[in-house]
Amino acid sequence: SQQGEEDPQALSIQEGENATMNCSYKTSINNLQWYRQNSGRGLVHLILIRSNEREKHSGRLRVTLDTSKKSSSLLITASRAADTASYFCATRGNYGQNFVFGPGTRLSVLP
Amino acid sequence: KAGVTQTPRYLIKTRGQQVTLSCSPISGHRSVSWYQQTPGQGLQFLFEYFSETQRNKGNFPGRFSGRQFSNSRSEMNVSTLELGDSALYLCASSPWTGVATNEKLFFGSGTQLSVL
Repeated sequence: SQQGEEDPQALSIQEGENATMNCSYKTSINNLQWYRQNSGRGLVHLILIRSNEREKHSGRLRVTLDTSKKSSSLLITASRAADTASYFCATRGNYGQNFVFGPGTRLSVLP
Repeated sequence: KAGVTQTPRYLIKTRGQQVTLSCSPISGHRSVSWYQQTPGQGLQFLFEYFSETQRNKGNFPGRFSGRQFSNSRSEMNVSTLELGDSALYLCASSPWTGVATNEKLFFGSGTQLSVL
């Protein structure tokens, strides 16, 4: 399977600090996406990076992708208390396979 | 546009019963997928439907089934409920058109199922 894995499982930082989460996967992908989930709610799409891209920015988010290492990282700069949530990476293969989600990183931003 | 709507939001059932969950996708989205989320197993893929046809199926027992209607609304059914079926069931729709593209998923708020 192309199961993604994320680390760390949990991260606690102070407001204003940067948060970095990592994701690894096992097989070839078409794209990798990051989603955010507030407690007990549905997931919200944050950013997508295609397999031929190495870095992408969206506001305070920066995503990198290293296909040779089959890994990605999500950086949230200048974190706010409202960023407290779980963050998941999701991958999709080249042939329309189902999305595969990693176990997630639980981020706590302390005021 | 209205978002993905899942009903009911909460459900309490007892072992052995069956349950049906409903999902209305975003207007125009023809792809609907279902996920089971538990603290121990994370987000597990159940199945995906596109234009009333099941495209992909996850590794779940036959007690879990689903279908999609001509208006793209989808239902999933779990028969003979077990305690381990307690979970948040999430539905997602996407504008996927049958070709591998860079579409994203739009999730509903989920149905929290508790099996007693």
